[in-house]
Amino acid sequence: AQSVTQLGSHVSVSEGALVLLRCNYSSSVPPYLFWYVQYPNQGLQLLLKYTSAATLVKGINGFEAEFKKSETSFHLTKPSAHMSDAAEYFCAVSDSGNFNKFYFGSGTKLNVKP
Amino acid sequence: DAGITQSPRHKVTETGTPVTLRCHQTENHRYMYWYRQDPGHGLRLIHYSYGVKDTDKGEVSDGYSVSRSKTEDFLLTLESATSSQTSVYFCAISDGGSGYTFGSGTRLTVV
Repeated sequence: AQSVTQLGSHVSVSEGALVLLRCNYSSSVPPYLFWYVQYPNQGLQLLLKYTSAATLVKGINGFEAEFKKSETSFHLTKPSAHMSDAAEYFCAVSDSGNFNKFYFGSGTKLNVKP
Repeated sequence: DAGITQSPRHKVTETGTPVTLRCHQTENHRYMYWYRQDPGHGLRLIHYSYGVKDTDKGEVSDGYSVSRSKTEDFLLTLESATSSQTSVYFCAISDGGSGYTFGSGTRLTVV
């Protein structure tokens, strides 16, 4: 069975500081992993995805994530936070061989302080 | 989002009434999904479809039914709405490759 744990429901950083959002997964098969972002009153947008190619994945808006199999982690980082990064972020794992169902973490709300 | 629309965007309904939410896609994707989003729970899968007339239950399917009579439409029905079904409902589509495309969501309030 697949599941995702996001540590920290709320994270607050100062503008210009490093952003680190944590995601750990469990999967019975080689996973596909994703980060999505949700701005207020909107749907979810794909930030980046890992699908068994390079372990360091670069996404949109300067975000990146590293797949670490030994740690079963897929943490999201951005070197320098911008006010526009304030949103909720969701990590997801896919059992791509089983109707491509996604399992989402509970989300992390990122607050960026001026 | 382009290629996927949900209707209505907002709905208030009374306890015990049936409610149907619609998801329409123009991408001809095989897979369609209904999720609900609640604070502290992320998104949880209600039902999904892997083809016309082919559907199956997700992790929180009690009180919900779905139908897919054509590729482009996936309907979610709350058979008798309860206050616990107050939520934001998202539809998603996939071609079976990596990644979903999400709709903009339907905010449902059951009073």
